[in-house]
Amino acid sequence: GAGVSQTPSNKVTEKGKYVELRCDPISGHTALYWYRQSLGQGPEFLIYFQGTGAADDSGLPNDRFFAVRPEGSVSTLKIQRTERGDSAVYLCASSLRDDTEAFFGQGTRLTVV
Amino acid sequence: AQTVTQSQPEMSVQEAETVTLSCTYDTSESDYYLFWYKQPPSRQMILVIRQEAYKQQNATENRFSVNFQKAAKSFSLKISDSQLGDAAMYFCAYRSADAGGTSYGKLTFGQGTILTVHP
Repeated sequence: GAGVSQTPSNKVTEKGKYVELRCDPISGHTALYWYRQSLGQGPEFLIYFQGTGAADDSGLPNDRFFAVRPEGSVSTLKIQRTERGDSAVYLCASSLRDDTEAFFGQGTRLTVV
Repeated sequence: AQTVTQSQPEMSVQEAETVTLSCTYDTSESDYYLFWYKQPPSRQMILVIRQEAYKQQNATENRFSVNFQKAAKSFSLKISDSQLGDAAMYFCAYRSADAGGTSYGKLTFGQGTILTVHP
């Protein structure tokens, strides 16, 4: 596709449920990033992939959060046992390499009720 | 760890006037990149301008320019001839250029400045 695509655009889930957020990067981009943006704040880094492997997952807040990128393209961010504090916009970005410009998707707004 | 601080939660400007958004950062690295991103209500982050720390010349991109003061660790954004479409949240961001470092690849963002443009 022409840009980074994230689905769903919005997700409402109940506390304790499991959710998956999908990111489809720009074709050919080897680096993929996940960020979390709480209301009124700047995005915070969660994890970044170089190809299929997680090059840096130091931003994942706890073991309820997990991300995969099995074929080096689409990535899924998985959140288990969601909590109300997980409510935020989850942004995905991709870049040709990890030293070039990152292009962002429009994010998924997750609301945990 | 690197930190980025934007001390202006909100700024406003009249259409066609000039406004400057402030950003300071803290790092022990000598080689890095600095960015300004614009985030409209659509949520998509759009790159406005980029500065390489090793370049002394300030980056410019049409109506957007920066004042990069490396010693002071300051990186302000100047928007000239402001337009209604410039209204958005603006984020300053830092990225390490050290491929062997622990913070390579990821962006560290400031808290953002909401810019309002009055007609």
